[in-house]
Amino acid sequence: DGGITQSPKYLFRKEGQNVTLSCEQNLNHDAMYWYRQDPGQGLRLIYYSQIVNDFQKGDIAEGYSVSREKKESFPLTVTSAQKNPTAFYLCASRRQGGEANQPQHFGDGTRLSIL
Amino acid sequence: AQSVTQPDIHITVSEGASLELRCNYSYGATPYLFWYVQSPGQGLQLLLKYFSGDTLVQGIKGFEAEFKRSQSSFNLRKPSVHWSDAAEYFCAVGQNTGNQFYFGTGTSLTVIP
Repeated sequence: DGGITQSPKYLFRKEGQNVTLSCEQNLNHDAMYWYRQDPGQGLRLIYYSQIVNDFQKGDIAEGYSVSREKKESFPLTVTSAQKNPTAFYLCASRRQGGEANQPQHFGDGTRLSIL
Repeated sequence: AQSVTQPDIHITVSEGASLELRCNYSYGATPYLFWYVQSPGQGLQLLLKYFSGDTLVQGIKGFEAEFKRSQSSFNLRKPSVHWSDAAEYFCAVGQNTGNQFYFGTGTSLTVIP
C-alpha cells in the first residue's frame, strides 16, 4: 500500500545535538511538508518542498533544516539552535496537478524529546 | 492573511447524540476546505474536503460538513456519535495555488457512554 513512513516513532535528543527525522513516501507526490504539533497550537509549518532540490521556509523554520535530494524523501534536521525542540513532528505529502483541491496525506509522526 | 478558527477547544457528547464541530475561516478567494481527524499519537486522516459545487459534502465514517460562504464557516456534523469517534479534529484551509495549508488549533472530542 502507498503511504508515508516516518521514522523513528520516538526520538531523544541530548542538549547541543542535531537529530534527523526521516520521512519517505511512495505516493509519487511532488510536494512534501513538515509540521510541528504542540498541545493547543495545532499544526505549524516548518518547511515545505514542491519539487526536488527546492524547498521553502514555513512559519517556524528557525533551528530546522531540510533537504530534498529525492522525490520520495524529505528529511528534517532539528539543530542545536532549536531551543525548544520537544514536540510531535508530522510529515505530509500532496499530489500537485489534477484536481485543484488535492488534500495532504500524513505520516504517523515522530515524537522528539530532550534528555 | 489566511486563518482558521476552531472556537471549541474541547467538546463532550454522549454516545448516540449528534455532533457539530465549528470551523470559521478567513480567506480572500474561494477556499479549499478540509476536515481531518487525529487519534492519539498518530497522524491526521482526511475526513472530507470541499472546493466547489454542492455545499454539503459527505465524508468517511458518517461525517458531513456544510460550507456557508456568508458565514465563512465549514462546520462538521455527525448525526449519531460512536465511542470510536473520540479524537482530535482539525479544520484546514488550502490556498488555491495549493502550496500551503492553514490548520485550526483543533477540537478534542470526548464521547461518554
